[in-house]
Amino acid sequence: AQSVTQPDIHITVSEGASLELRCNYSYGATPYLFWYVQSPGQGLQLLLKYFSGDTLVQGIKGFEAEFKRSQSSFNLRKPSVHWSDAAEYFCAVGSPSGGYQKVTFGTGTKLQVIP
Amino acid sequence: DGGITQSPKYLFRKEGQNVTLSCEQNLNHDAMYWYRQDPGQGLRLIYYSQIVNDFQKGDIAEGYSVSREKKESFPLTVTSAQKNPTAFYLCASSHVGTDGYTFGSGTRLTVV
Repeated sequence: AQSVTQPDIHITVSEGASLELRCNYSYGATPYLFWYVQSPGQGLQLLLKYFSGDTLVQGIKGFEAEFKRSQSSFNLRKPSVHWSDAAEYFCAVGSPSGGYQKVTFGTGTKLQVIP
Repeated sequence: DGGITQSPKYLFRKEGQNVTLSCEQNLNHDAMYWYRQDPGQGLRLIYYSQIVNDFQKGDIAEGYSVSREKKESFPLTVTSAQKNPTAFYLCASSHVGTDGYTFGSGTRLTVV
């Protein structure tokens, strides 16, 4: 069975500082990996995804993530955090299911941005 | 603009009552999903449907029921058999393939 671990429940960074959110996955084959962001009381928005090819993927809002097969990781990064990035971030792993993706989500990392 | 509409945004239910959460999409997606979100537990899959008139149980289907009579609609009923229904419920949809999910803005259900 596939699973996702986000080891950091809360992270606090200063505005303008760099950010890295950790994600480790467990899946037997090549995984499909996603990062989503959720503002309070809202749904989730897809930031970026990895299926194959270049292991460094670019997403929206200046985020990027790197797939490292040897470490079973898919960490999310941003060079300079803005106050509007404060939200909860979810890593997810997908497996093929009849042409669709059956997606398992991590427990989330809540990001606080301080001035 | 295309998207997913969940209604109502807030819902209050007395113990012992069934309640139905609405989810409608105009994205022409074939697959639809219901997730439950509790603090510190991430999202857990309740039910999903890949085609009309067909759906499968997810990881926590007990106490819930769904229907998929139209491609655009995937309502979720929280029955009185659900022991701890207070939660934030999210509906999502997707195309065939690897585009990821599109989410609605959620319904917060509170049992009073």
